[in-house]
Amino acid sequence: EIVLTQSPATLSLSPGERATLSCRASQSVSIYLAWYQQKLGQAPRLLIYDASNRATGIPARFSGSGSGTDFTLTISSLEPEDFAVYFCQQRDNWPITFGQGTRLQIK
Amino acid sequence: EVQLVESGGGLVQPGRSLRLSCAASGFTFGDYAMHWVRQTPGKGLEWVSGITWNSGKIDYADSVKGRFTISRDNAKNSLYLQMNGLKPEDTALYYCHGVLSGLDIWGQGTMVTVSS
Repeated sequence: EIVLTQSPATLSLSPGERATLSCRASQSVSIYLAWYQQKLGQAPRLLIYDASNRATGIPARFSGSGSGTDFTLTISSLEPEDFAVYFCQQRDNWPITFGQGTRLQIK
Repeated sequence: EVQLVESGGGLVQPGRSLRLSCAASGFTFGDYAMHWVRQTPGKGLEWVSGITWNSGKIDYADSVKGRFTISRDNAKNSLYLQMNGLKPEDTALYYCHGVLSGLDIWGQGTMVTVSS
C-alpha cells in the first residue's frame, strides 16, 4: 500500500497570501496524484488530477505540480472560500490511498 | 443533473450486515470506475473498495477484505456494497465515488453506525 504524507498538518495564512501544500508518496505514483478540497458537511471536491490538470470549473489560482513521489498544490492568492481541508489521493495503484489532510485556516 | 445518491445506512449491532446502494443519474454510469470511500466524523478519508467499469478489477482495503463485497449493475445504474461482520470501527459516513480521469462525482454519503 502506498502511503501519502501531507505537510504541513495545519497552515495558517491570510486572504491574499500564497499557500503551498505538499504531498509525498512512499513510492512512485508517476503523475497519478489528485488533490481534493473538503469543507465541513460536504463531500470532497476534485481540484487537480494527474498532478497538474485542473478539474472543470476550478479557478486558475489553484495549480498542481510534481511527479514520482513529490507533489505540490499551490493556491496563488487565497480567497475567503479557500479555507478548508485539502487531501491528496494517489490513483496509480490499488488500493487507492489518501493523505491525512492539510487544514488551511485563517490567520 | 449529475448525481449519486447513497442509501442503506443505519444503526446496526456488531456482527450484523448492511447493504449499501448508490443510484447514479445524469451521466454514463457504465463508463466510470466506482469506489466506496468512508470518513469518520472529523477525520480523514479512507478508500474502502473499488470496481472498474466492467467489474473486471475489484479490490478492497485490508481493513474490510473478506467482510465487504462490492458489485455494480450497469443496466440499473447502481453500485452496491454488501457489508458483513460489521465492527464498531466500521462506523463512518460512506461515500459513493465515480471516477473517469478528470471527471469525478461524489454522493452526499450514507451514515453507518455499528454499536450495541
